[in-house]
Parts: sequence; structure tokens; C-alpha cells
Amino acid sequence: AQSVAQPEDQVNVAEGNPLTVKCTYSVSGNPYLFWYVQYPNRGLQFLLKYITGDNLVKGSYGFEAEFNKSQTSFHLKKPSALVSDSALYFCAVRALRGSGAGSYQLTFGKGTKLSVIP
Amino acid sequence: ETGVTQSPTHLIKTRGQQVTLRCSSQSGHNTVSWYQQALGQGPQFIFQYYREEENGRGNFPPRFSGLQFPNYSSELNVNALELDDSALYLCASSFSTDTQYFGPGTRLTVL
Repeated sequence: AQSVAQPEDQVNVAEGNPLTVKCTYSVSGNPYLFWYVQYPNRGLQFLLKYITGDNLVKGSYGFEAEFNKSQTSFHLKKPSALVSDSALYFCAVRALRGSGAGSYQLTFGKGTKLSVIP
Repeated sequence: ETGVTQSPTHLIKTRGQQVTLRCSSQSGHNTVSWYQQALGQGPQFIFQYYREEENGRGNFPPRFSGLQFPNYSSELNVNALELDDSALYLCASSFSTDTQYFGPGTRLTVL
């Protein structure tokens, strides 16, 4: 079974400071990892993904994420937070290579609420 | 390029009723996945459709069913609604097993 843990329900950061939203995962085989963002009363917006290759992946709106295989982590980062970054962030995982029907489903964490303080 | 669209936006039903939610996939996508997001939780996988066939199912009872049409749009049907079915229902489309892109969701309230 695959799972995702987002250990922080809420992260507060001052505008202009760097931000980190943590994620650890468990999956059989190599992981396919994602970050999505959700604004109030909206669906999920894709930010970035990791498949293989460079452990630092860059995504939309200046976000990046660092994959660490030994720690099974995929933390989301941004060098300088904006007030408009305030939202709910979800990490998701699936197996890179599926093993039958349903094996391509995404498993999400519970989400981390990011608040950027002006 | 049109993104994923869902209808209706909001829906209020009573216990025991049936509901149908609709999803139009993004242009060029052939796979649709449905998720349920309860308040304060992450999305939970309901099922996925690929080429009009169910291609995997999460831990949801048979009263949750779906369809995919030749144009890759999809429906989610829920029979015998229960209070716990109140949630945001999200549809995501993708090209096969590639990145899933989500629609805005349908907020279902069961009274």
C-alpha cells in the first residue's frame, strides 16, 4: 500500500522569507511524486512532479521540491514567500510503474495550510 | 485548450436520493479519475476510467458507480445517499498514466 504523510497541519511564514512544506511517502518501487495547491472552494492545481533524474525539480510560481530517496521525502520549497502563496498544499504519490488496474491512483496527504504573513 | 470542467458546482440532496455528477476532460486526455475530498482531508481515490472501462477502484461501496463516454467525458453516480457522502467531488483527467489535472469540483451536501 502507498501512503503520504504531511506532518504539519499548518505552516506560518513571513512574506519574503523562504518556505518549506514537508512530505514523506511510502510506495512499492520507484515513486512518482506530485505537489498540488488548492485555493478556497477550488479544485487542485498542479505545481510540480518528480519522476526520475535531478533530485531538485522546479515547478510553477517559483516553487521547487527536493526528492530524497534515503529519507523518502519530497519537501516543497520556495526561496521567497508571497502573501498570494497562502493556500492548502497537497503532496501525492503513486508507483512509477503500475502493476495492474488501479495501481496508477494517486494517494494524497492530508494537506498543509500555508499562511504567509505580510 | 479547455481545462477540466465539472457540473454542477453545488448540489443539495437528501438521504436516500441518487445523484449524478459530470466531468469533461481536458482536450487530448483519455483517462478520468474521480476523488472524494471530505472537509479537512486530502482527496480519496474513488475510481478511474480508461477507454470507457473502469481501471481501478478505491475503497468505496458499489453504490458509487461511473461511466466514461466515447468523447472521454465521465459521470459519477451515487445511489442511496448517506450523510457521510457530503464532500467535494473532484474529477481529474490525464493522458493515460501521465499527470492528472483537476477540475474545480462539485460540492455535494446531503441533508
